Amino acid sequence: GESVGLHLPTLSVQEGDNSIINCAYSNSASDYFIWYKQESGKGPQFIIDIRSNMDKRQGQRVTVLLNKTVKHLSLQIAATQPGDSAVYFCAEPTSGGYNKLIFGAGTRLAVHP
Amino acid sequence: NAGVTQTPKFQVLKTGQSMTLQCAQDMNHNSMYWYRQDPGMGLRLIYYSASEGTTDKGEVPNGYNVSRLNKREFSLRLESAAPSQTSVYFCASNPRRFGQRAGQASYEQYFGPGTRLTVT
Repeated sequence: GESVGLHLPTLSVQEGDNSIINCAYSNSASDYFIWYKQESGKGPQFIIDIRSNMDKRQGQRVTVLLNKTVKHLSLQIAATQPGDSAVYFCAEPTSGGYNKLIFGAGTRLAVHP
Repeated sequence: NAGVTQTPKFQVLKTGQSMTLQCAQDMNHNSMYWYRQDPGMGLRLIYYSASEGTTDKGEVPNGYNVSRLNKREFSLRLESAAPSQTSVYFCASNPRRFGQRAGQASYEQYFGPGTRLTVT
């Protein structure tokens, strides 16, 4: 069935380094993916999305890469800052037209000075 | 624009008590959702409403009921709270209409700040 998951539950990086957060999906028909950021005590916030007709999409300090061959996407954060410390989720829509999303379990990013 | 608002922010209940979690959005969105989030886990869908007047079960509906009061408001009710319902509850909304084709509107869901519920 459809599932979205993450490889690493916790990622620790030094301030200024680049971070890479990974996500695997199982539904080869998936055509859209979203990355969310959730800071402690807050609701998830949209970071960036990508459609399956793209391999790469860039935002401000973030890049999402999509590899449809191995059903894998990643979120890259350049020059990681303390404010990037959060849990990051990938998500994809389910089928059926009801606009539901399936969320992965999340990866915690810890940024150390 | 307040976005998605939730009340209360925190609540402690005793087993067997009932309560209603309130959610409202001012973005004129069609779809609304209730999720729960447990430690170390992702978001699990409890109920959703694809449009005003309709509601459907999600992944974990047992022990909950919902009401889509109007386009703005979507409430979640616990009739008889249990310790297993201790969680953080998030409401979300999305502008898409049921069956809307890809590209016509975003799949992005906008989340509220959450309600932290403890059942003792």
